[in-house]
Amino acid sequence: AQSVTQPDARVTVSEGASLQLRCKYSYSGTPYLFWYVQYPRQGLQLLLKYYSGDPVVQGVNGFEAEFSKSNSSFHLRKASVHWSDSAVYFCVLRLNTGNYKYVFGAGTRLKVIA
Amino acid sequence: GPKVLQIPSHQIIDMGQMVTLNCDPVSNHLYFYWYKQILGQQMEFLVNFYNGKVMEKSKLFKDQFSVERPDGSYFTLKIQPTALEDSAVYFCASSLTGGRAEQFFGPGTRLTVL
Repeated sequence: AQSVTQPDARVTVSEGASLQLRCKYSYSGTPYLFWYVQYPRQGLQLLLKYYSGDPVVQGVNGFEAEFSKSNSSFHLRKASVHWSDSAVYFCVLRLNTGNYKYVFGAGTRLKVIA
Repeated sequence: GPKVLQIPSHQIIDMGQMVTLNCDPVSNHLYFYWYKQILGQQMEFLVNFYNGKVMEKSKLFKDQFSVERPDGSYFTLKIQPTALEDSAVYFCASSLTGGRAEQFFGPGTRLTVL
């Protein structure tokens, strides 16, 4: 069965440091992958998405993610975090059949400290 | 960008009562979705809805659940009667078309059943 695993429930980094949030997926079909961010009291906002082609995709606010078929991963990265990046980040797999359902990871809560 | 609104943000009710969660989707969107997230767990698909009909529902969409969007107003999720295990955050989403179209998410309604 398809699934998305975000192994880190909480991550704390210092402002200006680099960031990697991990995501592993399990799906036998062609994966369409997304990273969403949720700020307090707001809806999920799309950061970036991967459909095909270059495995490194650029998103908003300096975020990027790298797709690896061999590792079944789609890790999110940022070179230098800002305090405003503190939020919950969700890795999402969209199935490629049927009603193209979304399968969510549990989310990683990022805290950026001074 | 396009915004999905959800009303209320938090609802507390007694077990056995009825509750209606309201979603104001993006104005020209035609497909609507509900997701459920129990505290500390993954967000899971409940149901999607198009042209006045449920297109697909998951096993979480119990007989006590119903959805409708009368006359282009709010897209609603009704639970009657509620049970303790219905306590969760419910997220609404909408998309312009079905299939591969991006879903836009609301901020969620936290439902607490006592």
